[in-house]
Amino acid sequence: DTEVTQTPKHLVMGMTNKKSLKCEQHMGHRAMYWYKQKAKKPPELMFVYSYEKLSINESVPSRFSPECPNSSLLNLHLHALQPEDSALYLCASSQEGPRVGGYTFGSGTRLTVV
Amino acid sequence: DAKTTQPNSMESNEEEPVHLPCNHSTISGTDYIHWYRQLPSQGPEYVIHGLTSNVNNRMASLAIAEDRKSSTLILHRATLRDAAVYYCILMPSGTYKYIFGTGTRLKVLA
Repeated sequence: DTEVTQTPKHLVMGMTNKKSLKCEQHMGHRAMYWYKQKAKKPPELMFVYSYEKLSINESVPSRFSPECPNSSLLNLHLHALQPEDSALYLCASSQEGPRVGGYTFGSGTRLTVV
Repeated sequence: DAKTTQPNSMESNEEEPVHLPCNHSTISGTDYIHWYRQLPSQGPEYVIHGLTSNVNNRMASLAIAEDRKSSTLILHRATLRDAAVYYCILMPSGTYKYIFGTGTRLKVLA
């Protein structure tokens, strides 16, 4: 299995809702990531988990809350989002460090906040 | 974080080679050079990476300048399926921090 699976593929939520994005990989990768991508822009790093511990938080607002329950799963909990948070949310995983190879990205969750 | 500079867009004819340039004049000695591409409505896809020597794989070749201040991704025969945004990224050794630049949008003409 060489894929990163993200669910759901599309999500529409109101500003008072609570929802979660899920990401799963079974490649034995020990680093997992969340990126946010607005239309026609490059992906922006949000969070990095290494060995199930949060190692990088790129000053993301607290309405985004990541969770890594085990080495295969990564969640992003969403609460009280704003319309400007509408974007494609990408999950990725990798082996340790840049020598071994690249990241494997999922196809993303397209989030619309209304 | 060291930055990369790429042309906003390039065009190529189908079945011809494509050379995608990337400047990274502030690269440090331990930064790896990674290339990704992103097809419409998909997540980025790893293409190739290197440190100092030129690299080849089934998708592409990576040519790295001797001073490492620039690199070129080479697609040997462009197909319509290669139309995508190509990102050149520097990855410091010992970190997990990919910072994407603006990338080059490649258009392949039939």
